[in-house]
Amino acid sequence: EADIYQTPRYLVIGTGKKITLECSQTMGHDKMYWYQQDPGMELHLIHYSYGVNSTEKGDLSSESTVSRIRTEHFPLTLESARPSHTSQYLCASSEYQLGEQFFGPGTRLTVL
Amino acid sequence: RKEVEQDPGPFNVPEGATVAFNCTYSNSASQSFFWYRQDCRKEPKLLMSVYSSGNEDGRFTAQLNRASQYISLLIRDSKLSDSATYLCVVNVEGNKLVFGAGTILRVKS
Repeated sequence: EADIYQTPRYLVIGTGKKITLECSQTMGHDKMYWYQQDPGMELHLIHYSYGVNSTEKGDLSSESTVSRIRTEHFPLTLESARPSHTSQYLCASSEYQLGEQFFGPGTRLTVL
Repeated sequence: RKEVEQDPGPFNVPEGATVAFNCTYSNSASQSFFWYRQDCRKEPKLLMSVYSSGNEDGRFTAQLNRASQYISLLIRDSKLSDSATYLCVVNVEGNKLVFGAGTILRVKS
């Protein structure tokens, strides 16, 4: 089993609130990723990091931001949640850039 | 054209059947290929990597055809527990992996 954790698992929140989705891994991986996935749809990469103090935007435009202050921690923040942000957010990590990615269990976010 | 394309299915097959999925990719320079499995409302998990010479893991066989730019996954003797969405994953440009939209497999008794 992969040692990658996400909290909260489920979140229902009102419009305009600021939220932070947590992701931590204990495998010492430098590479970490955030994906967004709607039900029955494909994963879209929204942010990635190849190491501490390194973050990049992914292929899907997102209003969220990320930080990477510690190797094991890669939180995602939405400053002002909107109903269009309702989705599942999956965090992943990998040892190599083109290697296997290990996924956390995901956070299901609903914005009312 | 999508960078990684899969037939969405669903493939409805009886237990014990053999089923094959194909996935095409757009970049002839791609180097890394994987098949992931995703159960309903769960995270994706690696099923197997795909090597140039093809590889087998129990009932699962993966093959790569570089000339035609596709990879395939063959499942023999299907089990009820094989029901899931199978994701094709390829590095298309740069150093990022792209996930296909997935092929749904339903194995019925």
